[in-house]
Amino acid sequence: DIQMTQSPSSLSASVGDRVTITCRASHSIGDRLNWYQQKPGKSPRLLLYSASTLQGGVPSRFSGSGSGTDFTLSISSLQPEDFATYFCQQSVDFPGNFGPGTRVD
Amino acid sequence: EVQLLESGGALVQPGGSLRLSCRASGFTFSKFLMSWVRQAPGRGLEWLSGIAPGGESASYADYVKGRFTNSRDNSKNTLYLQMNNLRVEDTAVYYCVLDLSGFRFDPWGQGTLVTVSS
Repeated sequence: DIQMTQSPSSLSASVGDRVTITCRASHSIGDRLNWYQQKPGKSPRLLLYSASTLQGGVPSRFSGSGSGTDFTLSISSLQPEDFATYFCQQSVDFPGNFGPGTRVD
Repeated sequence: EVQLLESGGALVQPGGSLRLSCRASGFTFSKFLMSWVRQAPGRGLEWLSGIAPGGESASYADYVKGRFTNSRDNSKNTLYLQMNNLRVEDTAVYYCVLDLSGFRFDPWGQGTLVTVSS
């Protein structure tokens, strides 16, 4: 299986800050990388797919980049509603493993 | 609006069985691959199983293969997960998800809690 790691595991930020989260795959996955947001007590929500494509309805302050094994999720100006946990997921190979998550508080 | 509504979560003893249901609305259910994903405290998100739009085939993660069965009734817009021989480590919130394109999940249901404990 392809293993996914994320860093940091948590970070503290303030409204207006630029936030960057890193995701790394154990093997090359091309651009087959999804990012999800999960707020406390809620279900995950798809933010980006194919490493950099915004899902419909997702604010443009979210962006993604990377290919191969190294990826980043950036939030250009953190908003109050962005405090959440963010997960990456590879979608190139069975069973679509997720990263362990990065909590932004 | 696409909606997925799970039900069936409960407290069950180790070795017991449970069937989860997921009622879908707002889209043509019979045309989409559907999956189950779970989230256990301290263990993150785990994909469990996916099923083809017509229900003719399903795939499973190794940790549930042989114990869980994924099925669907397209006439009722409903997805099912039959869970047998449950273990303490199966304790989690179970989500039904629409698979847009091979492990791209959106949206997710609200989840249903399964607790396996004696």
